[in-house]
Amino acid sequence: AQRVTQPEKLLSVFKGAPVELKCNYSYSGSPELFWYVQYSRQRLQLLLRHISRESIKGFTADLNKGETSFHLKKPFAQEEDSAMYYCALRLSEKLVFGKGTKLTVNP
Amino acid sequence: DTGVSQNPRHKITKRGQNVTFRCDPISEHNRLYWYRQTLGQGPEFLTYFQNEAQLEKSRLLSDRFSAERPKGSFSTLEIQRTEQGDSAMYLCASSIGGVGETQYFGPGTRLLVL
Repeated sequence: AQRVTQPEKLLSVFKGAPVELKCNYSYSGSPELFWYVQYSRQRLQLLLRHISRESIKGFTADLNKGETSFHLKKPFAQEEDSAMYYCALRLSEKLVFGKGTKLTVNP
Repeated sequence: DTGVSQNPRHKITKRGQNVTFRCDPISEHNRLYWYRQTLGQGPEFLTYFQNEAQLEKSRLLSDRFSAERPKGSFSTLEIQRTEQGDSAMYLCASSIGGVGETQYFGPGTRLLVL
């Protein structure tokens, strides 16, 4: 079965500390992966996708096919990064989401 | 264009009643998706449309659920004979299609079945 696992429900760090949100996937083909973010009282929005190899708001994510992972990283967390983060795998036309990780960045 | 819109934003209904939600996608987007999200879970795919054609339905979409996109623009999701287990956030997303497409999400409709 194809699925996405985000092992941490909650993650709390201090401002300025590095942060890594873990995502592992199970998929037999060539994966297309995304990170979506939901800030408080806002809609779900795309943060980044692996095919773009971009850095958004200081976040990066590298696809590691050997470890079937797509972890999200930021070297210096900011308070405004506090949000729910969802990893998603594209399967044909639909997205399969993980359960999400709630990141809290403390001052 | 302000993005994907959904109406109503909140709906409270009694068990056994029918409810209908509407989604207006971004105007040039030909793909429209419905997802459901319950507490502590990520969004789960329900169904999607390419223009007016409904191309895929999840097993989550029981026969009490029906979705339409009659003119390839807005879509409606109807739930008949609602059950308490239908309480969830119903999310709509749209995209332009193609390789590497981005799905843009609406604010959702929160349904509570009493």
